[in-house]
Amino acid sequence: GEDVEQSLFLSVREGDSSVINCTYTDSSSTYLYWYKQEPGAGLQLLTYIFSNMDMKQDQRLTVLLNKKDKHLSLRIADTQTGDSAIYFCAVPSGGYNKLIFGAGTRLAVHP
Amino acid sequence: ETGVTQSPTHLIKTRGQQVTLRCSSQSGHNTVSWYQQALGQGPQFIFQYYREEENGRGNFPPRFSGLQFPNYSSELNVNALELDDSALYLCASSLGDGNYEQYFGPGTRLTVT
Repeated sequence: GEDVEQSLFLSVREGDSSVINCTYTDSSSTYLYWYKQEPGAGLQLLTYIFSNMDMKQDQRLTVLLNKKDKHLSLRIADTQTGDSAIYFCAVPSGGYNKLIFGAGTRLAVHP
Repeated sequence: ETGVTQSPTHLIKTRGQQVTLRCSSQSGHNTVSWYQQALGQGPQFIFQYYREEENGRGNFPPRFSGLQFPNYSSELNVNALELDDSALYLCASSLGDGNYEQYFGPGTRLTVT
């Protein structure tokens, strides 16, 4: 079945760029998603990329997709303290859009 | 436009009891998926309902069951609660059963003692 892996922690200085990485196994996925979860809250859909794209930019967020290596990354430019959260990569599996999530990357932003 | 809502916010139950969690989907969405998120982990898919029918199920035992109503709201029922059922339960709504964005509610935190 589908497997999604992420590194667990990332610490960056305020104002720097953050890059969160994700690898997946199912190459048939058509959309790939990034979600953000703040403490005690549900998941917020941040952005997504269609599998026929290499890159998608949305304000401070840039998603890069390398289909050959099954590698997805999320870059956050000018990282702010409000970006501190857990970021999940999610990949659909099966025809009915069941999402498989990674374990999440905890982003800590320090002054 | 109303987002996804869930009730209750928090719940404490005793092992062996039964629990019902509720979810109202985003306006216009006909598909609801339920996920279990244990502490420190990513969400795990429980099942999905599309137009009142179960449309897929994850690796959860039959004591996890659900319903979807004609207004597309949904319930998750868990019987014979176990300590390991303690988790954040998330529902997500989407426009259809294909590859559509899923929008999550705030979750219900269930504690089983």
